[in-house]
Amino acid sequence: GENVEQHPSTLSVQEGDSAVIKCTYSDSASNYFPWYKQELGKRPQLIIDIRSNVGEKKDQRIAVTLNKTAKHFSLHITETQPEDSAVYFCAALPTGEKLTFGTGTRLTIIP
Amino acid sequence: DTAVSQTPKYLVTQMGNDKSIKCEQNLGHDTMYWYKQDSKKFLKIMFSYNNKELIINETVPNRFSPKSPDKAHLNLHINSLELGDSAVYFCASSPTANTEAFFGQGTRLTVV
Repeated sequence: GENVEQHPSTLSVQEGDSAVIKCTYSDSASNYFPWYKQELGKRPQLIIDIRSNVGEKKDQRIAVTLNKTAKHFSLHITETQPEDSAVYFCAALPTGEKLTFGTGTRLTIIP
Repeated sequence: DTAVSQTPKYLVTQMGNDKSIKCEQNLGHDTMYWYKQDSKKFLKIMFSYNNKELIINETVPNRFSPKSPDKAHLNLHINSLELGDSAVYFCASSPTANTEAFFGQGTRLTVV
């Protein structure tokens, strides 16, 4: 089955700086890679996703890159703000299989 | 008008009891899931149903039994609750089995 590793487990950045979270996956059949943000006491919510036929996707301050050859993908948040503080999860989905989540990154934005 | 709703939000119960968590989605999605999030925030899938049919059943004790009366509902029944069952349980749904999951607000289960 798919195995997703996520790093770092915790990340603190100054407000206004950029944050990068990295994930690797094991199953080359994975073709869908969503990122979820979970605020304290809330549900995970999709913030951006990418499919395997695309190398990069951007949505305002958030971008995701995918390297299928190396089997890794990353989340980039620029100009970080206090409301970006949350736990972020990457996930990978092989066709016909289950969505497998990474172990999460607790991001803290320091004002 | 909540998309994926689950009840109750909080559940405190004694060891050995049997409890149920209900989930409903009004998005018209075909696939529904149960996830367990432990104290370390790890999100692990437990079950997946597609159009009322069980398609994924992870290594979960058979004290956990999902039931899907129709494709909009997926309930989770837990027998003989144990301390280690304490966690947040999330219901989720997706349009098909190969797209993003939309999560309910979670049920925090505490077994004492």
